Amino acid sequence: NAGVTQTPKFRVLKTGQSMTLLCAQDMNHEYMYWYRQDPGMGLRLIHYSVGEGTTAKGEVPDGYNVSRLKKQNFLLGLESAAPSQTSVYFCASTPYGRGDPTDTQYFGPGTRLTVL
Amino acid sequence: GDSVTQMEGPVTLSEEAFLTINCTYTATGYPSLFWYVQYPGEGLQLLLKATKADDKGSNKGFEATYRKETTSFHLEKGSVQVSDSAVYFCALRGTNAGKSTFGDGTTLTVKP
Repeated sequence: NAGVTQTPKFRVLKTGQSMTLLCAQDMNHEYMYWYRQDPGMGLRLIHYSVGEGTTAKGEVPDGYNVSRLKKQNFLLGLESAAPSQTSVYFCASTPYGRGDPTDTQYFGPGTRLTVL
Repeated sequence: GDSVTQMEGPVTLSEEAFLTINCTYTATGYPSLFWYVQYPGEGLQLLLKATKADDKGSNKGFEATYRKETTSFHLEKGSVQVSDSAVYFCALRGTNAGKSTFGDGTTLTVKP
C-alpha cells in the first residue's frame, strides 16, 4: 500500500511550456484534491474531484486543468506555464463519499515546480 | 467563506518548554478541525483532529480542544523536543465536498 504518490518530485519549466503532474492513490478513495503551497502561506485548493469522471474548481483554478479518467489517478495540467505558478503542489485524497468532514485527508509528498 | 487564522511565527523554544500555537476559525455549519505537521521537504501529516464541539484530539503529546464558543482549536504540548521542529498547520473541513481550508502555518524551532 503506497498511499498517495506524486510524479515528478521536481521539475523546472520555461515560461510557456506545458506539463502534467500525476497523482495516484491505491486506497480506493473517492475524493481527490490538488493544492498549491507558496512560501509563508497555507495550502490553497486548485481543483478537486468527487469521483471518477468528475472535476470541480477550487479557490485558485486559473491556469490549470485537471482530469480524473480513472478513480486512482488525478492529473493536473499546466498548458502554458507562468512564473506565478512556481510553487509546491500537493495532492490529497479522502476515503469516503459525500464529503464527510470527519474524513482524514491523506497527502502526497509534493512536487516542487519552478517556472523560469 | 470559511477561514482559518493561525498565530504568526516563527516560534523558537528551548527543549522541554511549553508550546501553544493559537488557531481560530470562521465557518458555517459544523466543520471538523485538524492540525497537520510538515517536516522539511515532506508532505503534510495528520497530527490530530476533532470532529465536534468539546472533542479533544491528542497524539504524540500534542493536544487541541474544539471550542465552539470561542471558535478556537489551539495546539499545546507540555514539553517540546528538538524533533518537534517543523511547520504546523491548522485546518478545517466543512460539508462542501469535504474541502479543507488551511491557516498560513507556524514554524516551530526547538533548540537543545
